[in-house]
Amino acid sequence: AQSVSQHNHHVILSEAASLELGCNYSYGGTVNLFWYVQYPGQHLQLLLKYFSGDPLVKGIKGFEAEFIKSKFSFNLRKPSVQWSDTAEYFCAVISYGNNRLAFGKGNQVVVIP
Amino acid sequence: DTAVSQTPKYLVTQMGNDKSIKCEQNLGHDTMYWYKQDSKKFLKIMFSYNNKELIINETVPNRFSPKSPDKAHLNLHINSLELGDSAVYFCASSQQGGNTEAFFGQGTRLTVV
Repeated sequence: AQSVSQHNHHVILSEAASLELGCNYSYGGTVNLFWYVQYPGQHLQLLLKYFSGDPLVKGIKGFEAEFIKSKFSFNLRKPSVQWSDTAEYFCAVISYGNNRLAFGKGNQVVVIP
Repeated sequence: DTAVSQTPKYLVTQMGNDKSIKCEQNLGHDTMYWYKQDSKKFLKIMFSYNNKELIINETVPNRFSPKSPDKAHLNLHINSLELGDSAVYFCASSQQGGNTEAFFGQGTRLTVV
């Protein structure tokens, strides 16, 4: 079955620490990949996306993600987090030409000032 | 000038009641979704519509009935509400086939008492 996996559901770190969140998927064929962020009490907003081209994509607020096709992974990184990065982060995958946008279970990230 | 708008934002109702949540998008997208986010923040797809046609129905009780009068609207009607229906419901839209990112509404927090 198609699935999206995110590990380490709860992440707590201090400001200025580096963040890396893992995302693995089990889809065949061409996929489009996304990371969304949900700040407390808010809706989901797009952080970054990968459709094709350079596998290292840069998003908003200093986030980046790397698509590694051989590992079916799309990990999210930020070199130095801020308190305002406290949020829930979701990886999402959709097969090209499909209408099923599937989400991982999310990572709750808490940044301590 | 909201791209995807949902109403109401909050909904508190008693068990057994019937309620509706409305969703409208002004992005010209072909595909619309309903997602359920539970208390653990897990996002689960419920329905996907493409040009007013039901594409995905994910093992959702038939008390939930989506209706798409046109491709800009996807409403969710819930009959005989149960305690377990309490959650945040998100509407989203994207271009057909997931060739762009999905845009999310603000969410409707449904509380069944």
